[in-house]
Amino acid sequence: QKEVEQNSGPLSVPEGAIASLNCTYSDRGSQSFFWYRQYSGKSPELIMSIYSNGDKEDGRFTAQLNKASQYVSLLIRDSQPSDSATYLCAATFRDDKIIFGKGTRLHILP
Amino acid sequence: GAVVSQHPSRVICKSGTSVKIECRSLDFQATTMFWYRQFPKQSLMLMATSNEGSKATYEQGVEKDKFLINHASLTLSTLTVTSAHPEDSSFYICSARSSSYEQYFGPGTRLTVT
Repeated sequence: QKEVEQNSGPLSVPEGAIASLNCTYSDRGSQSFFWYRQYSGKSPELIMSIYSNGDKEDGRFTAQLNKASQYVSLLIRDSQPSDSATYLCAATFRDDKIIFGKGTRLHILP
Repeated sequence: GAVVSQHPSRVICKSGTSVKIECRSLDFQATTMFWYRQFPKQSLMLMATSNEGSKATYEQGVEKDKFLINHASLTLSTLTVTSAHPEDSSFYICSARSSSYEQYFGPGTRLTVT
């Protein structure tokens, strides 16, 4: 069974702190990993993609991939109220289909 | 970044009628597009995978005769909800996959069937 698992939250983080979002996936053969942000009533927006082990930074966002542990994370530095959203983790599987996790609701406390 | 458009953004139709939703990749070619449905406070549900020039692949439980998908070109896929019923009311979202396997979503279409 192809699965991408996320804690549904809500994860509450004070404004200005670091928000840490985690995700695990079931297929060791997965090659590509993505983080999407979805605001209520809107469609998902791609914010990060990562393909190799290690960290990838883009502005306040850092994606981390550990293929040995089948673990992907997203760190958001200097969290802002506008970061409050549902964050979806996604991974491609051997048949190239992208599987999405159910999402983690993040709430930044002003 | 890549842009995917969807039209219409909102549609209200009467029970028994059909509704067509268009999905376009504006600045890249997409051999594969996807159609999702999302009910309030629930996660994305993949309905079907649309491949240019071939028949769509439907997920288990999705009626292919009710949700007609056509992927006529590398930039356009359409979803037609036939004989719509109130239970088909939902948020329909398409996405297009780039050559680097990133998936870009359209803004979604909110369908209300009365």
